[in-house]
Amino acid sequence: QKEVEQNSGPLSVPEGAIASLNCTYSDRGSQSFFWYRQYSGKSPELIMFIYSNGDKEDGRFTAQLNKASQYVSLLIRDSQPSDSATYLCAVQTSYDKVIFGPGTSLSVIP
Amino acid sequence: DVKVTQSSRYLVKRTGEKVFLECVQDMDHENMFWYRQDPGLGLRLIYFSYDVKMKEKGDIPEGYSVSREKKERFSLILESASTNQTSMYLCASSFTGNLVETQYFGPGTRLLVL
Repeated sequence: QKEVEQNSGPLSVPEGAIASLNCTYSDRGSQSFFWYRQYSGKSPELIMFIYSNGDKEDGRFTAQLNKASQYVSLLIRDSQPSDSATYLCAVQTSYDKVIFGPGTSLSVIP
Repeated sequence: DVKVTQSSRYLVKRTGEKVFLECVQDMDHENMFWYRQDPGLGLRLIYFSYDVKMKEKGDIPEGYSVSREKKERFSLILESASTNQTSMYLCASSFTGNLVETQYFGPGTRLLVL
């Protein structure tokens, strides 16, 4: 079992819809969870992080964490074509190593 | 704002050449990382460092070495470049001791080995 898993996609959503990106992880003691956005040919940039169970909202982005299910998600409301990118989930494990998932490619169709 | 810079955006080298990739961060971060990123394989950790003159192997260290003589600078060295080292190389840094260890990435170096 891989340590951090994501749906590889591509995920296509129409403009204005909600995009839902999912991530599961294997280390039950993991502490903090990150979502990075990576445009084609560019480096990853942090969108947001979460470390408590529940929801965390930042503008159009909402991160959701369920430690019991070892599941973290990112919702993007009112998706825009500029949101088209690869989204990387990263997990800070109980042994203090940050592990990145393979990424999910999102395409927002105008 | 954290700034992580890499010495080159694009690099073309020949097989067997020694290649140096440099990374500099300006936020006094203790931790620095080198990754490579290939289509379908995601980010793979090559080496990391938690302090000056300290280095630890990541998941794919073969064919690479690193140097960290100063806190702000972390160099990746390809002793004898091979075509299978053609890739995007990403440097990152982070502050240690936090509940939340956010990594900040440089712009990347796209290396082509002919």
